[in-house]
Amino acid sequence: EIVLTQSPGTLSLSPGEGATLSCRASQSVSGRYLAWYQQRPGQAPRLLIYGASSRATGVPDRFSGSGSVTDFTLTISRLEPEDFAVYYCQQYGSSPLTFGQGTKVEIK
Amino acid sequence: QVQLVQSGAEVKKPGASVKVSCKASGYTFTSYYMHWVRQAPGQGLEWMGIINPSGGSTSYAQKFQGRVTITADKSTSTAYMELSSLRSEDTAVYYCARDGIEGYWGQGTLVTVSS
Repeated sequence: EIVLTQSPGTLSLSPGEGATLSCRASQSVSGRYLAWYQQRPGQAPRLLIYGASSRATGVPDRFSGSGSVTDFTLTISRLEPEDFAVYYCQQYGSSPLTFGQGTKVEIK
Repeated sequence: QVQLVQSGAEVKKPGASVKVSCKASGYTFTSYYMHWVRQAPGQGLEWMGIINPSGGSTSYAQKFQGRVTITADKSTSTAYMELSSLRSEDTAVYYCARDGIEGYWGQGTLVTVSS
């Protein structure tokens, strides 16, 4: 099973600042099959990024994904009020699919 | 438009079973695999398993092997997740999620296990 470790656990930032979230895999993620999700309280997760760097439909371009093999990054260029949420990475290249433990982006 | 509508909240006693449904609409049900994911209160996301609604083949996370059964009814475009021998640690919100890059998820079903 591929273990995904996200860092930091919590990111305290102000609106307008940039955010960099990390996801490290315990072994290579085949085919760059790495996704990022945003989850707001009481809501289902929302897909932001798939294939490590492709934005899902309707996702603003301030969200970008990068990385390969075992190291992946989600970057939010300028935080909007609605971006304060929990973010999860997920690998879907091998079974079982696994998620990271999440990074909470909170208002400073 | 694509919709995944799940059944309502459940309260179960330890040792019982629960069956959560996920009714799909707005697309060809048999064209996309369906995942089940759960989230315990205040915790992260946990993948449980997947089904191919076309042929019924399934794959489960090792953690749930023997306790979870995922099925699909093509006639009603509904996927089901049944979890047996419930314990308090199974208290969680259970989601169905369509496979694919569009990211369609159900609204979640809260299952509470309590004596």
